[in-house]
Amino acid sequence: EAGVTQFPSHSVIEKGQTVTLRCDPISGHDNLYWYRRVMGKEIKFLLHFVKESKQDESGMPNNRFLAERTGGTYSTLKVQPAELEDSGVYFCASSQEWGGAFFGQGTRLTVV
Amino acid sequence: GENVEQHPSTLSVQEGDSAVIKCTYSDSASNYFPWYKQELGKGPQLIIDIRSNVGEKKDQRIAVTLNKTAKHFSLHITETQPEDSAVYFCAATLTSGTYKYIFGTGTRLKVLA
Repeated sequence: EAGVTQFPSHSVIEKGQTVTLRCDPISGHDNLYWYRRVMGKEIKFLLHFVKESKQDESGMPNNRFLAERTGGTYSTLKVQPAELEDSGVYFCASSQEWGGAFFGQGTRLTVV
Repeated sequence: GENVEQHPSTLSVQEGDSAVIKCTYSDSASNYFPWYKQELGKGPQLIIDIRSNVGEKKDQRIAVTLNKTAKHFSLHITETQPEDSAVYFCAATLTSGTYKYIFGTGTRLKVLA
């Protein structure tokens, strides 16, 4: 069974540009999460989808971040316009209701 | 707000020795505590978890203990091997059908051959 996959693995963009990260969860997992680790600090929650609905987006830093999960399958996280402080590793995770969350390998975003 | 403290931040042990990583959580309503191992270039991998109705859980060389009264939980790795070297994260959450984790800051474990 394929795990959680994220694209791209690395992205380097200039300040002010737009970047879109993609996450494909484990098939059949209704719950999809985005997390972020900035500058070696703790991994912080961004938001949670149940199928295509946003269940909790309390961790989204500001309105430059937009997450979507059309059709309840894969999800995208768009940052527009990117700022220097957005640099970090963005993780996606998915879960069934009764199990732990499985994480993807992450996308390392560098804003220069 | 909710908080999870994790210690130590770095830990070096000799191969074959034991390693212990400790976490403290602030929200007494938390009832699920997973541990993740992150190797270089990879995402966090779930290695063991414990629910609040259990005090201890073991899986081969790794074990987790939970003290609900003190709001402490710990990861124990016995007979450490070089491949155990990684960053370990603890987390706490409420299992109401979702898993919004509050993570600790991570422990970098080095097992010296």
